[in-house]
Amino acid sequence: GESVGLHLPTLSVQEGDNSIINCAYSNSASDYFIWYKQESGKGPQFIIDIRSNMDKRQGQRVTVLLNKTVKHLSLQIAATQPGDSAVYFCAENSGGSNYKLTFGKGTLLTVNP
Amino acid sequence: SQTIHQWPATLVQPVGSPLSLECTVEGTSNPNLYWYRQAAGRGLQLLFYSVGIGQISSEVPQNLSASRPQDRQFILSSKKLLLSDSGFYLCAWSFKGSSGNTIYFGEGSWLTVV
Repeated sequence: GESVGLHLPTLSVQEGDNSIINCAYSNSASDYFIWYKQESGKGPQFIIDIRSNMDKRQGQRVTVLLNKTVKHLSLQIAATQPGDSAVYFCAENSGGSNYKLTFGKGTLLTVNP
Repeated sequence: SQTIHQWPATLVQPVGSPLSLECTVEGTSNPNLYWYRQAAGRGLQLLFYSVGIGQISSEVPQNLSASRPQDRQFILSSKKLLLSDSGFYLCAWSFKGSSGNTIYFGEGSWLTVV
């Protein structure tokens, strides 16, 4: 079936380094993608989104890259800070329905001081 | 701006007891509403979604039900809880409109069935 998955379940980086979290998706009809950050015991927070007609979008310290050729999504965090430690989820809207997202399993990012 | 509130934040219930989790959204009208469940260390599973009052779609067969008695109110219920119902429950909302809308989550409710 269609799925959204993550290459790395855990990622450990030093404070100040850049972080890259990857996500693979299998549904070529997906046209909208979101990255969420979930801190322990809290609900997921929206970070950044991208539509399929774009290949890059930048926010504050974050960049999302979309490679539709290989169905790959990545989240880049610049100058990673301890407050960035969390689980990061990618999610896709698989077209056809504008109200359901499919979520990946998540990547745990740990930032070491 | 829009806000979403869900309660209670934590709940410990015995097996066989009923459940009611409530969620309200402020600052918007006619939102799509969702209930997700997140098991420990796992991803998010969509349980129910609603596009309007009284309109509920169930994604997975289970021991739970949902209701939307008012435009911005979404309730998750069970008549008799099972141990397997334990988990982190998240209410969420989104705008209607064009394909692909961000889903915004509440802070979640921890349910432990003992």
